[in-house]
Amino acid sequence: EVQLVQSGAEVKKPGESLKISCKGSGYSFTSYWIGWVRQMPGKGLEWMGIIYPGDSDTRYSPSFQGQVTISADKSISTAYLQWSSLKASDTAMYYCARLATLGGWFDPWGQGTLVTVSS
Amino acid sequence: DIVMTQTPLSLSVTPGQPASISCKSSQSLLHSDGKTYLYWYLQKPGQSPQLLIYEVSNRFSGVPDRFSGSGSGTDFTLKISRVEAEDVGVYYCMQSIQLPITFGQGTRLEIK
Repeated sequence: EVQLVQSGAEVKKPGESLKISCKGSGYSFTSYWIGWVRQMPGKGLEWMGIIYPGDSDTRYSPSFQGQVTISADKSISTAYLQWSSLKASDTAMYYCARLATLGGWFDPWGQGTLVTVSS
Repeated sequence: DIVMTQTPLSLSVTPGQPASISCKSSQSLLHSDGKTYLYWYLQKPGQSPQLLIYEVSNRFSGVPDRFSGSGSGTDFTLKISRVEAEDVGVYYCMQSIQLPITFGQGTRLEIK
């Protein structure tokens, strides 16, 4: 079964750093893109960026470029989303999802990681 | 960026009745390879989004045949022939012909 399992919920203070993870299983991790999608409380889906673990090719949405870093460790089939200095406005659910090809669709999705940033 | 505009933003439907959601893109989603990169997702309450329809009109594995997608170019429609209680949630269209990938604002379906 193809599966993406994300790390657990986080509660952080403004200014702190954070790295959340997404572990793939049941398929060749290096042959598919992994994307990250933000969903702020009560809001819609926003695409943040994607990474191709096979060669670490990474593309960012202009809205998130410079705000987050997407990376992957293909040796453990895990993709990451990280912040160096969190803001309260980063409070959201973050989903990872597999993308077969550029132009393709996201499936499956991880279960989501809730990040809460509050002083 | 390609802007995806969904209407309506909310829908209240009696079980057994049909429902329709429109999605319009600011640019054509028809690629030179002949495919149209328009997708539909459903996010049920408390769950991750799930793929319903890929490339305009193809039902994804396990999706009931009461769901259908149609359209071309910049105008697309998702139809549910007979709404059931389990169809409650927020429906999103998405384009991936061009980066950044963009989603519609979402259409919330509730049952009357």
